Amino acid sequence: AQKVTQAQTEISVVEKEDVTLDCVYETRDTTYYLFWYKQPPSGELVFLIRRNSFDEQNEISGRYSWNFQKSTSSFNFTITASQVVDSAVYFCALSEARNTDKLIFGTGTRLQVFP
Amino acid sequence: DAGVTQSPTHLIKTRGQQVTLRCSPKSGHDTVSWYQQALGQGPQFIFQYYEEEERQRGNFPDRFSGHQFPNYSSELNVNALLLGDSALYLCASSLGTVAPTNYGYTFGSGTRLTVV
Repeated sequence: AQKVTQAQTEISVVEKEDVTLDCVYETRDTTYYLFWYKQPPSGELVFLIRRNSFDEQNEISGRYSWNFQKSTSSFNFTITASQVVDSAVYFCALSEARNTDKLIFGTGTRLQVFP
Repeated sequence: DAGVTQSPTHLIKTRGQQVTLRCSPKSGHDTVSWYQQALGQGPQFIFQYYEEEERQRGNFPDRFSGHQFPNYSSELNVNALLLGDSALYLCASSLGTVAPTNYGYTFGSGTRLTVV
């Protein structure tokens, strides 16, 4: 069965702190895709990153970095030097190669960054 | 470049009524997917439309139906509304049927449906 677990419901940090959002996934497919989306209060889901199951290289984009570890079925997201504008709900999602038409989302982590 | 447009933004309906939500995809996109996001939950896949046909459906009852028009816009219809249908309904557009793997979806801001 496919499943995405985001165990952290809510995280609060003070500006400039680093924060890591955890994501654990389950799938029987050997080919799959992992995503992170940001949902600000306005509601739309903003695409942050896509990773395929064959590429375990970590990725860095500005203050954002992602750590993909197949051995632990985890795809964690770190924000370095957090800012108030990072406050949002963050979703991890899974798409399997045999069914790329749909995304399976976790329950999300609400990040609050205080000044 | 206009992104995904959804209307209305908010809606209040009574149990048993019917509702229609609308979505205009991002320019250049031809595939529309609908998701339901209950409060405090992640979005759940309802169905996807491509070439005016329903390509795939999630675990939702037949009360949920949809349509895609020749201009790629889409409607989501929900009949016999239940209190549990209260949620944010998100529309996502993409290009082609392999879009999630290559381009990612572009999501709209959603329609907040409240059933009373």
